[in-house]
Parts: sequence; C-alpha cells; structure tokens
Amino acid sequence: DVQMTQSPSTLSASVGDRVTITCRASQSIKIWLAWYQQKPGKAPKLLVYKASSLETGVPSRFSGSGSGTEFTLTIDSLQPDDFATYYCQQYDSYLYTFGQGTKVEIK
Amino acid sequence: QVTLRESGPALVKPTQTLTLTCSFSGFSLNTSGMCVSWIRQPPGKAPEWLALIDWDGSRYYTTSLRTRLTISKDTSKNQVVLTMTNMGPVDTGTYYCARISRTATGTATFQHWGQGTLVTVSS
Repeated sequence: DVQMTQSPSTLSASVGDRVTITCRASQSIKIWLAWYQQKPGKAPKLLVYKASSLETGVPSRFSGSGSGTEFTLTIDSLQPDDFATYYCQQYDSYLYTFGQGTKVEIK
Repeated sequence: QVTLRESGPALVKPTQTLTLTCSFSGFSLNTSGMCVSWIRQPPGKAPEWLALIDWDGSRYYTTSLRTRLTISKDTSKNQVVLTMTNMGPVDTGTYYCARISRTATGTATFQHWGQGTLVTVSS
C-alpha cells in the first residue's frame, strides 16, 4: 500500500500568515492527491483534488501543487475559520490511504 | 443534493459482528461512475479507508482488514451495508460513508460524506 507522510504534525500560526503543509507519497501517485480539512466532531471536507483542483466553494486562498511523490497545500492569509486539522489522501489505486494529519493551531 | 447518513449500533461487544448501513439520496448507485466507500477514524487519529463498492458491483477492501469486511448494496433502497466481524476495542471510532464520482466531471475521490456514527467496542 502507498504510505503518505505529512509534515509538520502541528503548525502554530497567526491570522494573516501564509501556511504550507507538505505530503510525501512512498511511490509515485501521479496527480491523484486530495486535501481535506476537518474540524472537531465533523466529517472531513474536500478542499483540493487532482493535486491542484479547487473544490467548488472552497476559498481561493487555498491552493495545492505537486505531482509524483511530493505535494503541498498552501493557505494564503490564514483566516480564523482555517484553524483545523488537514489530511492528504492518495487515490492512485483503490487502496486509498490518508496522511497522519497536520493540526494548524493559533499562535 | 447529495446526502449520506450512517446508521448502526453505538455499542458493540468484543467478538461481535458490526453491521452499518449507509442511506443516501441525490444519486443512484446504478449510474456509471458512482461508488460508495466506508472510512473510519479512531479517536484523535487519521481517517482509514475500509471498503468501496462500485456502480457495477465491484468490491475493494483495505488489505489489513480484508478478511473481516463485507460491503454490499441495495440499489432499490439506496443503501450500502458494511459488516465487520470479530470486533475488538481497537475498532472503536467514528465510521463514515462517502460518495465517489468517477464521471467526467467528478472529483474521483471522497467528495460527499455522511456525518459519521460513533461505534464503541466494549464489554
């Protein structure tokens, strides 16, 4: 199975900061990478699919990039609503796997 | 509007079999490209994909739990059922169902999720 490794595990930031989260795959997944945001007690919410395509309704301050084994999620000008946990997930094969998560905390 | 809702027991005893039902609306599992998956999330941990069933009835399971899982669908009721045998305390967590659309305009990943159902395994 493809292993997904996110970094950092925790990130402390302030409103207005630019934040970058990295996700690495144990083998090439081409562009089949999604990013999710999850808040406590809620289901994950799809933000980005196919590595860089923004899901409908997601603010443009979110962006994804990368291909192969290395991917990034960037949040430009962090807003109060963005403090949450973020997960990457690969879907190159039917054996879908998630990263371990990055918690974005208020500094 | 696509909606999914999980239902099932909140408490299961060790060694018992868990049966969860995902009831959905806003799409048909008879439509080419539509899939429904089950995903679970232990408290404080990352989500873990469990199983998927395609519009054509094809089934896929996570490697580590393959022998314990069965996914099935009832298209007339718009439901997908997951059974997991020999439950243990490590299986405690929130269980979600989610839709995947593999159509030309779909995202091909978990775009729509249910609200989740918490399952606790304890004697």
